Amino acid sequence: GAVVSQHPSRVICKSGTSVKIECRSLDFQATTMFWYRQFPKQSLMLMATSNEGSKATYEQGVEKDKFLINHASLTLSTLTVTSAHPEDSSFYICSASRTSGVGGNEQFFGPGTRLTVL
Amino acid sequence: AQKVTQAQTEISVVEKEDVTLDCVYETRDTTYYLFWYKQPPSGELVFLIRRNSFDEQNEISGRYSWNFQKSTSSFNFTITASQVVDSAVYFCALSGGSNYKLTFGKGTLLTVNP
Repeated sequence: GAVVSQHPSRVICKSGTSVKIECRSLDFQATTMFWYRQFPKQSLMLMATSNEGSKATYEQGVEKDKFLINHASLTLSTLTVTSAHPEDSSFYICSASRTSGVGGNEQFFGPGTRLTVL
Repeated sequence: AQKVTQAQTEISVVEKEDVTLDCVYETRDTTYYLFWYKQPPSGELVFLIRRNSFDEQNEISGRYSWNFQKSTSSFNFTITASQVVDSAVYFCALSGGSNYKLTFGKGTLLTVNP
């Protein structure tokens, strides 16, 4: 149980286009979903936290107009990178948690999406 | 503020050697949770362990063992008789009791050579 999927696993796009990444909890309802970004040989940096049915909370320094997050249902969150540029190329990872507001609840991670912007 | 320090950037060992990955954390929360994750070259994070701040018992799972010491704010991870398949980046992470966010360390790249 507790499987999280991401789609697509890899995407290559031209500069200026928008890319949507989907994150789905396959066998549980995810009250809270998280989006991380990981540059090569670096750690995971939290971008934003989203709760179903409400606006996402972005971490400091993350442009909310550039990285649009929608958590429309308890099993799906989407991250849209708008007007992508080469510096947005990165590995994007989502995670899902069954219950919000409790620090110990485990986050289940998706397999990640590698975005390359040409 | 929470902080996780993994001082070892890279470690290289020969197969069958034991190796310990260090993790030191900082938090003001009295209740918190510590995690270890493995990230193989494929990129997918693999959950290894979760430990809460009130449970200082060491844990062993096969070749893996963890040593949690609140007195030194450390949560070290030891792989016994390492294997080539253990080669990966290992992340230590912290979640505060009142904050569901995970703070990751910078990771340690472990290379196990045959």
